Amino acid sequence: KAGVTQTPRYLIKTRGQQVTLSCSPISGHRSVSWYQQTPGQGLQFLFEYFSETQRNKGNFPGRFSGRQFSNSRSEMNVSTLELGDSALYLCASSQALQETQYFGPGTRLLVL
Amino acid sequence: AQSVTQLGSHVSVSEGALVLLRCNYSSSVPPYLFWYVQYPNQGLQLLLKYTSAATLVKGINGFEAEFKKSETSFHLTKPSAHMSDAAEYFCAVSLRSASKIIFGSGTRLSIRP
Repeated sequence: KAGVTQTPRYLIKTRGQQVTLSCSPISGHRSVSWYQQTPGQGLQFLFEYFSETQRNKGNFPGRFSGRQFSNSRSEMNVSTLELGDSALYLCASSQALQETQYFGPGTRLLVL
Repeated sequence: AQSVTQLGSHVSVSEGALVLLRCNYSSSVPPYLFWYVQYPNQGLQLLLKYTSAATLVKGINGFEAEFKKSETSFHLTKPSAHMSDAAEYFCAVSLRSASKIIFGSGTRLSIRP
């Protein structure tokens, strides 16, 4: 069974731009969570989706948003990029809420 | 609220030596506890998970962790380190009623030849 896939793997943007990251969960998994990893703040939870509905949200500004499609694929969007948004963005999928999460390789975003 | 503290941001051991990575948690209710490993430029891989069955949890690659409620600890061990174990290790906690995972700050494990 294929693992969690994330596209693109690397991305360079400039301040003020917006970006959309994509995550395809493991086949049969219906829950997708997003995390941000930075050297200063470590791994922080962004949000979780299940059945196309946001079920849980971390402490991030409204510039960070996401959605989930009927096939369980998920996207996250960051608008008006700031230098501090440079990070590794990790997606994790699970069969259902509160089940074990399996992580993708991440998308490394660099904001210049 | 839940939290995780990993003692030691960097641990270095010789190949063949015991690996011990320390993790203490705080939770007002019985939690789920995890250890994840991250190799350079990769995502996180689940090593093992505690869900209140056996207190000694065996994971992949020869790792195991013991849940000690009295000490609020969930330390990760491996009897004999291998060069391929060099990576960053994250201890994490979640509520049983929620999926949000709270991660520790990570411990970088180096293996000396």
